[in-house]
Amino acid sequence: DAKTTQPTSMDCAEGRAANLPCNHSTISGNEYVYWYRQIHSQGPQYIIHGLKNNETNEMASLIITEDRKSSTLILPHATLRDTAVYYCIVRATFMYSGGGADGLTFGKGTHLIIQP
Amino acid sequence: DGGITQSPKYLFRKEGQNVTLSCEQNLNHDAMYWYRQDPGQGLRLIYYSQIVNDFQKGDIAEGYSVSREKKESFPLTVTSAQKNPTAFYLCASSPRSGEAPRGTGELFFGEGSRLTVL
Repeated sequence: DAKTTQPTSMDCAEGRAANLPCNHSTISGNEYVYWYRQIHSQGPQYIIHGLKNNETNEMASLIITEDRKSSTLILPHATLRDTAVYYCIVRATFMYSGGGADGLTFGKGTHLIIQP
Repeated sequence: DGGITQSPKYLFRKEGQNVTLSCEQNLNHDAMYWYRQDPGQGLRLIYYSQIVNDFQKGDIAEGYSVSREKKESFPLTVTSAQKNPTAFYLCASSPRSGEAPRGTGELFFGEGSRLTVL
């Protein structure tokens, strides 16, 4: 079960790109990097995931280093509504893990605060 | 709309009482999970179930019990044996590999149930 390390908190100005780092130096070859965010007192929301290629969707971009030991979540134009706790987790797919509990623990994440 | 519904949203109970939190999903997901979140902390896994009539303990199962009699339902009982039950409880589900439109292993969460023991 790969562990991740994230900064406790970050600030970003509204309208700027928010870059959230995550270290996962013990990631295995079959483990994906997933990002979720949790707005206060709500359930976490899926943002994006990737294996080794960079990924982009309507919410964010995910940049994974070539050695896969770290990644960065990029919110291109942060708004006040992006203020939340962002979690980076690594886990194998349901198929590879046999549906087990690996990678299902969420650490404290990064509290991103968007400043007006 | 498809999703996960948790109820009740807020619950108060007296010390020594058991309480059951409901979690229902209409996403046709095989796997379901229960998490506990304390203030300023991450999510800790209580129990998970990969398939009907089967479930496994997570990291902090003591004082909790679950059942999985139907695919769409995974209720959590907080028993009187749980020493510090006041917390925010989150239920999640996930599809098997290849069945999710956006990817595999993605977790879908409910809105949570906040339990306070008086």
